[in-house]
Amino acid sequence: SAVISQKPSRDICQRGTSLTIQCQVDSQVTMMFWYRQQPGQSLTLIATANQGSEATYESGFVIDKFPISRPNLTFSTLTVSNMSPEDSSIYLCSAIEGGSGNTIYFGEGSWLTVV
Amino acid sequence: QKEVEQNSGPLSVPEGAIASLNCTYSDRGSQSFFWYRQYSGKSPELIMSIYSNGDKEDGRFTAQLNKASQYVSLLIRDSQPSDSATYLCAVNTGFQKLVFGTGTRLLVSP
Repeated sequence: SAVISQKPSRDICQRGTSLTIQCQVDSQVTMMFWYRQQPGQSLTLIATANQGSEATYESGFVIDKFPISRPNLTFSTLTVSNMSPEDSSIYLCSAIEGGSGNTIYFGEGSWLTVV
Repeated sequence: QKEVEQNSGPLSVPEGAIASLNCTYSDRGSQSFFWYRQYSGKSPELIMSIYSNGDKEDGRFTAQLNKASQYVSLLIRDSQPSDSATYLCAVNTGFQKLVFGTGTRLLVSP
C-alpha cells in the first residue's frame, strides 16, 4: 500500500493565524482527499484534491477557509486559514493507490490545537 | 443525506470471545464498504474491505455484507486486548468519497 506522510504531525496554533499541512505519497496515486476529525467525532470529507486544478469541496467547506493545492500526482497541501478554536482537529490526508482498486489509505494525521 | 450508522458502544467482550460490530447505511447505491480500526491518538488503519454480498475472511476478521438489508458487519474472532480500539465503518458513496460512521468502541478485557 502507498505510504502517506504528513507534516506537521502536531502543532499548537494561535487564533487568527493560518497553517499549511503538507501531504506526500511515496507512489503515484489516482486521487487524494482531505478529511477532518474533530475531537470525539468521526471523519468528515473536506475536499478532493485535484491535480493541477481547483479542489472539489464538500458541503460546509469553502476554498477561502481551506485552500488546497495538488501540483502533482504525489503531493498536496491543505491550509487552515484564520484559525479559531473550532478548527482544533485532526486533519488527515488520504489517497487511492492506482493498483489497489478503490481502497483508500490514510496518512498519520496532523493534530492541530488552536488556542 | 447519505448516512452510516453505528452503535457507539462501548462493546465489551472478554479475551478469546467473538466481537460483532454492526453498521447500516442509507445509500442503496453504495458499492464498496470498509472497516477501519483507530487506536486512540492514531489515524485510521484499514482492516477489511468488502464489495459483494456474503462473507469475506482475513485471519481473525470476517466482514459480512447484505446489500438488500443495507447492512455490513465485522466479526473479530479470538478477540485480544490489543483489538481494543474504535472501529469505523465507511461506505464509498461514489467518486471514491467515503462517508464514515461515528465508530464503535471495542473493549477486550483480559
